[in-house]
Amino acid sequence: RKEVEQDPGPFNVPEGATVAFNCTYSNSASQSFFWYRQDCRKEPKLLMSVYSSGNEDGRFTAQLNRASQYISLLIRDSKLSDSATYLCVPTTSGTYKYIFGTGTRLKVLA
Amino acid sequence: DVKVTQSSRYLVKRTGEKVFLECVQDMDHENMFWYRQDPGLGLRLIYFSYDVKMKEKGDIPEGYSVSREKKERFSLILESASTNQTSMYLCASRLTGNSQPQHFGDGTRLSIL
Repeated sequence: RKEVEQDPGPFNVPEGATVAFNCTYSNSASQSFFWYRQDCRKEPKLLMSVYSSGNEDGRFTAQLNRASQYISLLIRDSKLSDSATYLCVPTTSGTYKYIFGTGTRLKVLA
Repeated sequence: DVKVTQSSRYLVKRTGEKVFLECVQDMDHENMFWYRQDPGLGLRLIYFSYDVKMKEKGDIPEGYSVSREKKERFSLILESASTNQTSMYLCASRLTGNSQPQHFGDGTRLSIL
């Protein structure tokens, strides 16, 4: 099993829709989680940090399910500008290395 | 805001050349990282450094070396560039601690001809 697994997509959704995608992780010791967004040919940028059961920031909600070892990202009222690839990153105490998921591609359609 | 600056956005070099990629961060971060990103493969860690003059191999260090003489600067060196090193190279930095997010530079798109 891969350390971090994400559905590559693409998820094609109309503007205004709600979309959610999951990220599963294999290391049960993972404690903190990050979601990054990456636009085409650009660098990843931090979207959200998740330290406990979840986090909400405007239209974006991250929820953590430790029992099933996945973290989800929900985007409400999708905008064209939300089109990007979303990378999941679980982190584990005692290691410098972060394992990045390969990302889920979202396309919001007009 | 954290600023991670990479020396070049685009770079074209020839096979066999020694190539230097520079990265500077302005937030006094202890940890710095070099990744390469290729389609379908995601981000792969080449080397990282957790302190000045300290370096550790990542997952794909072959053909690369690094230098960290000052806290703010982390250099990636391609000893003898090859065509399979054509890629997007991303530098990142963060504070120590696993609850700290990484901040990325805007990348160097390197082509080896």
